[in-house]
Amino acid sequence: DGGITQSPKYLFRKEGQNVTLSCEQNLNHDAMYWYRQDPGQGLRLIYYSQIVNDFQKGDIAEGYSVSREKKESFPLTVTSAQKNPTAFYLCASSITGYTNQPQHFGDGTRLSIL
Amino acid sequence: KNQVEQSPQSLIILEGKNCTLQCNYTVSPFSNLRWYKQDTGRGPVSLTIMTFSENTKSNGRYTATLDADTKQSSLHITASQLSDSASYICVVSGNNDMRFGAGTRLTVKP
Repeated sequence: DGGITQSPKYLFRKEGQNVTLSCEQNLNHDAMYWYRQDPGQGLRLIYYSQIVNDFQKGDIAEGYSVSREKKESFPLTVTSAQKNPTAFYLCASSITGYTNQPQHFGDGTRLSIL
Repeated sequence: KNQVEQSPQSLIILEGKNCTLQCNYTVSPFSNLRWYKQDTGRGPVSLTIMTFSENTKSNGRYTATLDADTKQSSLHITASQLSDSASYICVVSGNNDMRFGAGTRLTVKP
């Protein structure tokens, strides 16, 4: 089945540590996105990529980094500079980066601080 | 202030009953509006998408309406089932971005 796979499901970070969240899609979509979801708030865009080897900052990019070396993969690194990383992280993809295209979401990674 | 406001924040109904969720937005210019269903611990799944010219769209027991003049949308769920328990998220797209509402948490009790 085509879809988006996020791993791990749960992740714990120690103080001063960088952690990387994986996102893989086999939908042959050009565009991929990372969102952060906090209780009582709407999803907020961290980074997005409309094509391989290119990505753009979203609304809350500080303390995060991404890469897009392959069409299928868009890993997110939560760096030690992100002081409040505890959240539910969602990866999504769409055929293109145009807003009239539906986004397909993975099942998320829940990141917590040890 | 969020450009997409949803109400109520949470709702509890009995199985078999109907309910209506609201979404008000200020996103401009407007491109389209989507409703997503998000089960606990899962990613959102698209239910409906509506463009400027569409007033209503159905997907099984889910019916979405859109009033682009008043910038309001509603999601009506008919004959609710236990599996409808989830968060329902309204997403409004402009020309270059998407804005997410905080969602309505629906609980259906037997």
